[in-house]
Amino acid sequence: NAGVTQTPKFQVLKTGQSMTLQCAQDMNHNSMYWYRQDPGMGLRLIYYSASEGTTDKGEVPNGYNVSRLNKREFSLRLESAAPSQTSVYFCASSGGGPGQVYNEQFFGPGTRLTVL
Amino acid sequence: GNSVTQMEGPVTLSEEAFLTINCTYTATGYPSLFWYVQYPGEGLQLLLKATKADDKGSNKGFEATYRKETTSFHLEKGSVQVSDSAVYFCALISGGSNYKLTFGKGTLLTVNP
Repeated sequence: NAGVTQTPKFQVLKTGQSMTLQCAQDMNHNSMYWYRQDPGMGLRLIYYSASEGTTDKGEVPNGYNVSRLNKREFSLRLESAAPSQTSVYFCASSGGGPGQVYNEQFFGPGTRLTVL
Repeated sequence: GNSVTQMEGPVTLSEEAFLTINCTYTATGYPSLFWYVQYPGEGLQLLLKATKADDKGSNKGFEATYRKETTSFHLEKGSVQVSDSAVYFCALISGGSNYKLTFGKGTLLTVNP
């Protein structure tokens, strides 16, 4: 099992460009998450998908959109990148769904994004 | 709302020293508590967890006890190694959070030989 995979690993964008970060999990998990990690801020939740077909905003959703393509895949899109979106982005998944809120989250290796 | 406060780093220790990283929390309901570790250049990995009061989570020589009376979940290891150098995150999830983890800001640990 690969666990949680993310592509790309690194990306440099110019202000105003768009891109999609891809995430896939092979653990048959119901829930998937996108976080960003910034120095001194810990991890902050951008969006999550509690189950296939649903998505909800997290703590810092502005400037992002997500798509839960199927049970395995959850993508994060930056429509018009800004320097403030320079960060490391992590995708995670968990078995948690209705009635299962305490399962651990499994994280991908991250995408390091720089916006110039 | 939920929040996690952990001691600010960086923490620098010599090999075989005792480690404590403090973590306290506020949460609605009865949270589950976690410690995650992030090695340089990698994603987060679950280190240990505890799901109810007085539970002790343990893994790789690390331990943490869920203390409801003090709302704490301090991470300890009796003898650290150079390979333990990483960032450690305390986190919680509670029934009122709709499956969302709340993280502390992380503590950077450096262990010198």
